[in-house]
Amino acid sequence: EAGVTQFPSHSVIEKGQTVTLRCDPISGHDNLYWYRRVMGKEIKFLLHFVKESKQDESGMPNNRFLAERTGGTYSTLKVQPAELEDSGVYFCASSAGLATLSLYGYTFGSGTRLTVV
Amino acid sequence: EDKVVQSPLSLVVHEGDTVTLNCSYEVTNFRSLLWYKQEKKAPTFLFMLTSSGIEKKSGRLSSILDKKELFSILNITATQTGDSAVYLCACNYGGATNKLIFGTGTLLAVQP
Repeated sequence: EAGVTQFPSHSVIEKGQTVTLRCDPISGHDNLYWYRRVMGKEIKFLLHFVKESKQDESGMPNNRFLAERTGGTYSTLKVQPAELEDSGVYFCASSAGLATLSLYGYTFGSGTRLTVV
Repeated sequence: EDKVVQSPLSLVVHEGDTVTLNCSYEVTNFRSLLWYKQEKKAPTFLFMLTSSGIEKKSGRLSSILDKKELFSILNITATQTGDSAVYLCACNYGGATNKLIFGTGTLLAVQP
């Protein structure tokens, strides 16, 4: 079974530019999460999709961040315009639902390391 | 404010040693606690604990949850260099989202 795929793995952009991160969850996983780890801090929740619907976006820092999940498959997270404090590692995770959590947990991708200079 | 605290922040041991990693939490609507191992890239799932006092075991790793004292431990016996990683503890706090709140992790280095 293919895992959660994220790309790019690294992105370096200038302040004010736009960046789009992509996440391909495990096929059939309705639940998709975005998390972010800022240097020296813990991993923090950004938002949760169930299929194509945003279930919870309480962790999104501000309106410069826009997440979409068209068709309930892959998701994109756009940062526009990027600021220095947006630097960090952005993780995506997926799950099939509560029934499988105890066996498999949430499956994480390898993350996208975003550096804003 | 909800929080998950892991200790120690880092430790160095020698192969063959036994280590205990700690995770305490203060989380409203607590549902479960998860342990992950992160080497270079993606965190990989180890255990999910929902009930107090029931040990989960996988090879040399085991974990237990105490919902009265609000903590969990992760034990690794007969450590190997391949156990070197950051170990992450996270709490699933319920509701429709099932989002995770993470601790900062424990960096374990196992020396030959």
